[in-house]
Amino acid sequence: GAGVSQSPRYKVAKRGQDVALRCDPISGHVSLFWYQQALGQGPEFLTYFQNEAQLDKSGLPSDRFFAERPEGSVSTLKIQRTQQEDSAVYLCASSLVGPGGNTGELFFGEGSRLTVL
Amino acid sequence: QKEVEQDPGPLSVPEGAIVSLNCTYSNSAFQYFMWYRQYSRKGPELLMYTYSSGNKEDGRFTAQVDKSSKYISLFIRDSQPSDSATYLCAMMSQGSASKIIFGSGTRLSIRP
Repeated sequence: GAGVSQSPRYKVAKRGQDVALRCDPISGHVSLFWYQQALGQGPEFLTYFQNEAQLDKSGLPSDRFFAERPEGSVSTLKIQRTQQEDSAVYLCASSLVGPGGNTGELFFGEGSRLTVL
Repeated sequence: QKEVEQDPGPLSVPEGAIVSLNCTYSNSAFQYFMWYRQYSRKGPELLMYTYSSGNKEDGRFTAQVDKSSKYISLFIRDSQPSDSATYLCAMMSQGSASKIIFGSGTRLSIRP
């Protein structure tokens, strides 16, 4: 596709359930980012991949959050034992440039809106 | 204190007005400054990108960076109803592969 694709667009989970959110970046983009956006707030950094390598996961709020990008393309963000405070929009972004060249020009998907009841 | 501060608004102006949006920051290592626009229920999209200090103009949009004051601005001339959105400032230090820090966003509404 032409842009970053995320699925599902909407997810309702019961507290304690595990969820998996998928991101298809723009073809050929080296860098992939996950952000969490709470209502009325800006995106907060979660984790960053360069190809299949997870180079920064300092923003993951707890060990319940796990992300992978095994073949350097599609990425999955997994949240185990969801809590109400996990309710947010999870944004995926990709960028063409690789090591040392990131200038902040990110291409975002439309996000996956997670509601935990 | 957050690294990037942005007035959340909402800001409502009549069509044709000049809009001024601003952010302040505390980290002097920031070198790259961006403005993203986010429509409701959509992902952010890059509007303007500036490296270090100075001005950059693109059509009706002008971005200004004053590193001495740690202050950045986005001006929108001849504002249109289609400019109604949330505007997010974002910043990054040189050499950082991942640490793009976003402001909380300013909601802007342009009244026809």
